[in-house]
Amino acid sequence: QSVLTQPPSVSAAPGQKVTISCSGSSSNIGKNYVSWYQQLPGTAPKLLIYDINKRPSGIPDRFSGSKSGTSATLGITGLQTGDEADYYCATWDNSLNDVLFGGGTKLTVL
Amino acid sequence: EVQLVESGGGLVQPGGSLRVSCAASGFTFTSYSMTWVRQAPGKGLEWVANIKNDGGVKHYLESVKGRFTISRDNAKNSLDLQMSSLRAEDSAVYYCVRVCSSGWSECLDYWGRGARVTVSS
Repeated sequence: QSVLTQPPSVSAAPGQKVTISCSGSSSNIGKNYVSWYQQLPGTAPKLLIYDINKRPSGIPDRFSGSKSGTSATLGITGLQTGDEADYYCATWDNSLNDVLFGGGTKLTVL
Repeated sequence: EVQLVESGGGLVQPGGSLRVSCAASGFTFTSYSMTWVRQAPGKGLEWVANIKNDGGVKHYLESVKGRFTISRDNAKNSLDLQMSSLRAEDSAVYYCVRVCSSGWSECLDYWGRGARVTVSS
């Protein structure tokens, strides 16, 4: 069971908006940046969001990140069928001196 | 173009050893820390080990400490993960990943395609 808690699955219709939550604690999300990764079926993960809300070059502004206290949220607007993937949050943990990943959330675009 | 290409995966018996390697190109290797992340079949991502840009500091997942060794050769732009006393639960795809900086960070900006390691008799 992951230290960072994500919902196992979320779903929404094409064109709609969805949010994915990531809950941690004061030793990880509460004190550190958060990144988000997208893993399309059969491929390696890809960096989607870093430093809580920054997007790497090439990532559309439909993807956004935020943080409040010990939780972080990934938002995706204008959903497309190509967004169907597993999404993982990640942060540093000051107590463990480790990178922590959430358990992952499977996004289905109905 | 940044490229990370893993090699060396395969089938190994429990208690055995295996080395996975990663050839890096397209960036200044000495400017970045590197990481191994693994993913067991049908499971989520799990960080395994970090090594700083100069190779001087390393961190390991608790369950692999004393069994796995991360190393890098900055002259050859390569990263290795030597695994010993392997267990069935170490079976996974092992990804070579670049950290966004020379320090420690959860920001992992380039990933290889992965090397599959299967521990089974």
